[in-house]
Amino acid sequence: AQTVTQSQPEMSVQEAETVTLSCTYDTSESDYYLFWYKQPPSRQMILVIRQEAYKQQNATENRFSVNFQKAAKSFSLKISDSQLGDAAMYFCAFQGAYTGTASKLTFGTGTRLQVTL
Amino acid sequence: DVKVTQSSRYLVKRTGEKVFLECVQDMDHENMFWYRQDPGLGLRLIYFSYDVKMKEKGDIPEGYSVSREKKERFSLILESASTNQTSMYLCASRSTGALGGYTFGSGTRLTVV
Repeated sequence: AQTVTQSQPEMSVQEAETVTLSCTYDTSESDYYLFWYKQPPSRQMILVIRQEAYKQQNATENRFSVNFQKAAKSFSLKISDSQLGDAAMYFCAFQGAYTGTASKLTFGTGTRLQVTL
Repeated sequence: DVKVTQSSRYLVKRTGEKVFLECVQDMDHENMFWYRQDPGLGLRLIYFSYDVKMKEKGDIPEGYSVSREKKERFSLILESASTNQTSMYLCASRSTGALGGYTFGSGTRLTVV
């Protein structure tokens, strides 16, 4: 079974600054997918970024980028130029490469990000 | 705009009541999921369904059952609600073979008193 660990329950960043959220995972699979989801107070889970394990290049989506270290089983999220709207709960998630019916997401415990003026 | 709709945003029920949480998706997705979200524990999978009338236990199925009579609707049932089932419940759906591609509902915050 896979496990996902987020060791930072809460983080704070000043507006316009950069913050990094940590995530480690454990799996015996060699091919898989990793995700960061954002959950604002509206509760709607929003996909922020995804990374395919077979790709060495780190994924980037505008101000969001990841540092994927496969050997270390680490998948951190960097938010640049933080904005007030980035304040939310962030979840790291793992999905095995098999995308058939039995495939499902395994989530970490979440990091609550606060953005201050 | 594709959607996963959960019938109630907030729900208060009494201990011992039978509780139904409803989830409807309009994307013709084969797979539907029920997660429970608790502070410090993240999201944990209760049950999922990969087809009509088909279901599989997730990581924490005890005290819950599910029903999927139609492709678009996936119901979570608490046969006899207990206070330790007070939580946020999130429904999600996904198309088979889709990378990621999960669409989530906005959650039902259930309080059992």
